[in-house]
Amino acid sequence: GEDVEQSLFLSVREGDSSVINCTYTDSSSTYLYWYKQEPGAGLQLLTYIFSNMDMKQDQRLTVLLNKKDKHLSLRIADTQTGDSAIYFCAESFSGNTPLVFGKGTRLSVIA
Amino acid sequence: DVKVTQSSRYLVKRTGEKVFLECVQDMDHENMFWYRQDPGLGLRLIYFSYDVKMKEKGDIPEGYSVSREKKERFSLILESASTNQTSMYLCASRQGELFFGEGSRLTVL
Repeated sequence: GEDVEQSLFLSVREGDSSVINCTYTDSSSTYLYWYKQEPGAGLQLLTYIFSNMDMKQDQRLTVLLNKKDKHLSLRIADTQTGDSAIYFCAESFSGNTPLVFGKGTRLSVIA
Repeated sequence: DVKVTQSSRYLVKRTGEKVFLECVQDMDHENMFWYRQDPGLGLRLIYFSYDVKMKEKGDIPEGYSVSREKKERFSLILESASTNQTSMYLCASRQGELFFGEGSRLTVL
């Protein structure tokens, strides 16, 4: 079945760049997402990329997609303490089907 | 502003009780989902619905049922709650982007 894998923890210093990596197994995935979850809150969509793209940039966020290797990454430039959260990678086949989520990467930003 | 509202943020129930978790969305979305979130396990899909009165099993439907009588409302039902159903339950709706509610943290004693 479909599977999404990501490392569980990442620690970076304030001001550095963070890179969170994700791999997925379903080659028919069309939509790939990054969600952020702050403590005690629901999930908030950060950004997404279609499978026919290889890069998307949105202010401090850069998403890179290597479709051949089924590898997705999220780079956060100039990481701030407010970026401390759990980041979830997710994929779906279409715009209406359920998303399959990774287990989440807990990002800790050290001041 | 889009909104998915889960009626209860925190619930404490006893083993064997029937539990209703309610979710309402105001975006006229056809697709609604229930996930549970557990530490180290991420989000797992319980049930989803593409339309009124339609339901589809997700990855972990055992011990749960759902109801979708109106388009905006999708209810998750635990017929007889057990301690292993202690979890954070997240409702979401989608027509393209997936929007989440704030979550319902259920503790079963």
